[in-house]
Amino acid sequence: ETGVTQSPTHLIKTRGQQVTLRCSSQSGHNTVSWYQQALGQGPQFIFQYYREEENGRGNFPPRFSGLQFPNYSSELNVNALELDDSALYLCASSLEGVTSGKDEQFFGPGTRLTVL
Amino acid sequence: KQEVTQIPAALSVPEGENLVLNCSFTDSAIYNLQWFRQDPGKGLTSLLLIQSSQREQTSGRLNASLDKSSGRSTLYIAASQPGDSATYLCAVLSSARQLTFGSGTQLTVLP
Repeated sequence: ETGVTQSPTHLIKTRGQQVTLRCSSQSGHNTVSWYQQALGQGPQFIFQYYREEENGRGNFPPRFSGLQFPNYSSELNVNALELDDSALYLCASSLEGVTSGKDEQFFGPGTRLTVL
Repeated sequence: KQEVTQIPAALSVPEGENLVLNCSFTDSAIYNLQWFRQDPGKGLTSLLLIQSSQREQTSGRLNASLDKSSGRSTLYIAASQPGDSATYLCAVLSSARQLTFGSGTQLTVLP
């Protein structure tokens, strides 16, 4: 069973640039959720994708957008980067739509984004 | 809006001690509660998941309990070891299908 993978591991950008982060879900999972974790804080929910559609969104501006592909992998795009976007971005995969499931989310290792 | 609080924010104990980490949440309408471990600069490792219909889960030296009506969970670590040093995060899965996390408890186990 393949776990959740994310790329790249680290990324440095300057204010105003755009960035794309990638996530491959665990084998058999159909849902991907993205979280932002600032230093010293718990992760904050950005959005979730289920069957290639956005299935819920946290309190993040529209410059945070995403995609899910037919193989259930996902991208997180952030436009017009700000200094406060510096954080660890975590991707989690799960199996939704199965009422007997545990609804457990499995996390990848994260992408550390630094905005200068 | 669901809010999750973890107490204490930091904890330092000598090796071998038993310890309890606390988590509270404001909305009892949850699907499950998960405890995670996070090492510095790393992702999250799931330790235990308690479904809303359950009262506790055990894995090795770890035991987690859930009292949904009072909005509380505890993570009990028996016979702590220096390798247990990490940040422990509690998260609840709400009806919106999103995890809401606490800010974590940073645990240091001294040899």
